Amino acid sequence: DIQMTQSPSSVSASVGDRVTISCRASQDISNFLAWYQQKPGKAPNLLIYTASTLQSGVPSRFSGSGSGTDFTLTISSLQPEDIATYYCQQGDSFPSTFGQGTKLEIK
Amino acid sequence: QVQLQESGPGLVKPSQTLSLTCSVSGGPISSGTYYWSWIRQHPGKGLEWIGYIYYTGSTYYNPSLKTRVAISVDTSNNQFSLRLSSVTAADMAVYYCARLFEIINGRVRYFDLWGRGTLVTVSS
Repeated sequence: DIQMTQSPSSVSASVGDRVTISCRASQDISNFLAWYQQKPGKAPNLLIYTASTLQSGVPSRFSGSGSGTDFTLTISSLQPEDIATYYCQQGDSFPSTFGQGTKLEIK
Repeated sequence: QVQLQESGPGLVKPSQTLSLTCSVSGGPISSGTYYWSWIRQHPGKGLEWIGYIYYTGSTYYNPSLKTRVAISVDTSNNQFSLRLSSVTAADMAVYYCARLFEIINGRVRYFDLWGRGTLVTVSS
């Protein structure tokens, strides 16, 4: 299975800060990479697919980049409602696998 | 809009079979674009894809669970189901049903719709 490694495991930032979360695949996955946001007690919600395409209805402060093995999720200006755990997911190879998550907290 | 809702027992005894159903409302499960999946999340942990079923009945199971898993579809009632046999404490998790958008040339796209999830506890 392809291993997805996220860093950092947790991050603390202030409202208005720019936040970046990294995701590294154990082998080349082209751009078959999606990002999800999961708030406590809720199901994950799709933010970005194909590495950089914003899902409909997702605020434009979220963006994604990367290809191959290294990917980044960026929040340009952190808002209080962005507090959540973020997961990356690869779809290049079966079985599709997820990163271990990055917990985002407000400083 | 399309919604997914899991249902089933929240408590299963060790060695027994876990059975869950996902009801799809607001659209047909027979839409050709989508693959209907089960994903689980152990308490405080990450996400594990269990497998999917297409409306025709074709399936894929994660090799880590393949010997114990069966996913079925009931198009007349617009629902699909998960059975996981011989459960142990390691199977205690929140189980989500989710809609997978597209598989292209053996590559999975993304899960664009999720149910709320249901916690399954394994205990005697």
